[in-house]
Amino acid sequence: GESVGLHLPTLSVQEGDNSIINCAYSNSASDYFIWYKQESGKGPQFIIDIRSNMDKRQGQRVTVLLNKTVKHLSLQIAATQPGDSAVYFCAESSGSARQLTFGSGTQLTVLP
Amino acid sequence: GAGVSQSPRYKVAKRGQDVALRCDPISGHVSLFWYQQALGQGPEFLTYFQNEAQLDKSGLPSDRFFAERPEGSVSTLKIQRTQQEDSAVYLCASSSGPSANQPQHFGDGTRLSIL
Repeated sequence: GESVGLHLPTLSVQEGDNSIINCAYSNSASDYFIWYKQESGKGPQFIIDIRSNMDKRQGQRVTVLLNKTVKHLSLQIAATQPGDSAVYFCAESSGSARQLTFGSGTQLTVLP
Repeated sequence: GAGVSQSPRYKVAKRGQDVALRCDPISGHVSLFWYQQALGQGPEFLTYFQNEAQLDKSGLPSDRFFAERPEGSVSTLKIQRTQQEDSAVYLCASSSGPSANQPQHFGDGTRLSIL
């Protein structure tokens, strides 16, 4: 079936560096994408979303890039801080479907 | 509260027992979702409500799983005759409107352990 997957299960970055977390999706009908941050013992926390009619969206210290040609999504975090350490999930939905389909997550570790 | 609230945070039950998990969505949110999250995995969709109507229950793994939202606010996920494979974190999420392409806001989940 259709799935959303991540390229790397773990990512370590130095504090202050920029982080890039990648995500590939396979459903060509996907038209809404969203990134979540999940800390241990907590629920997923909304970071940023993007619709398929856009290729870039910026938030506070975060940027999401969408490449529909190669079905690729990325989350860029500027000036990564220790509090950014968490598991990051991308998720997608398509058409009128309300439910999100999640990938398996990337563990981001920020090194001092 | 301002966010999605779930209770209990932890639930331990013996195999064969029935359990009930509660979700209080963000006030005024029309849409409510239940997801199941296994250890080390992303959440997987179980069911979706728009107000009190259960519009999609395609993700419920068996007829032992039942969800309701009788007054269009609080929701309960019930699992009957629990089995060990039901052990997981059960997450509830809500979004403000009925349409797709809106962010879902999650609670911290109920961690269910079946002995």
